[in-house]
Amino acid sequence: EPEVTQTPSHQVTQMGQEVILRCVPISNHLYFYWYRQILGQKVEFLVSFYNNEISEKSEIFDDQFSVERPDGSNFTLKIRSTKLEDSAMYFCASRLTGYGAFFGQGTRLTVV
Amino acid sequence: KNEVEQSPQNLTAQEGEFITINCSYSVGISALHWLQQHPGGGIVSLFMLSSGKKKHGRLIATINIQEKHSSLHITASHPRDSAVYICAVEKASYGKLTFGQGTILTVHP
Repeated sequence: EPEVTQTPSHQVTQMGQEVILRCVPISNHLYFYWYRQILGQKVEFLVSFYNNEISEKSEIFDDQFSVERPDGSNFTLKIRSTKLEDSAMYFCASRLTGYGAFFGQGTRLTVV
Repeated sequence: KNEVEQSPQNLTAQEGEFITINCSYSVGISALHWLQQHPGGGIVSLFMLSSGKKKHGRLIATINIQEKHSSLHITASHPRDSAVYICAVEKASYGKLTFGQGTILTVHP
């Protein structure tokens, strides 16, 4: 069964450093998303991406964040100058027309 | 106020019991999703529905658009059903999902 792949599964970074979270969506999917879940809280939307551009972003998704789909297969989330409150599980998801979302297993980001 | 509310927050059942988890939402939607999150954190999509009822194995999801309410039922529950069940709504087609806080289900043998 096709799946969304995220790497790394766990990343520890020092406060102020930049991190790149990587995702390989399912190959024929058209819609791509990043969500995050702070420990003990509900999942929250960060950004959606369609047709090679951002289609929607949340208030959280400020200048500290950026997304790219550099080569038609990878979908990356970059977090610049990480803060302690960026510690969370980050999920990538992709969708095809007419179907629900397929989620990756998540990247647990710990900022120390 | 949360746009998506689930009840109960916690649910404990004995193996074999019939389980119902409820979801109410306060906005217009194009679809509602039920998802399952296991202790490891991974999220799996169970159902996407915009009307009526869907069934997959022992799982049944229903939605009442007029009442802005959906239910997820599990028949003949099993310990392996233990997980967090999450309701999420999609306001615009293929737009972002807005998540409920989840229902923690524990099924004892």
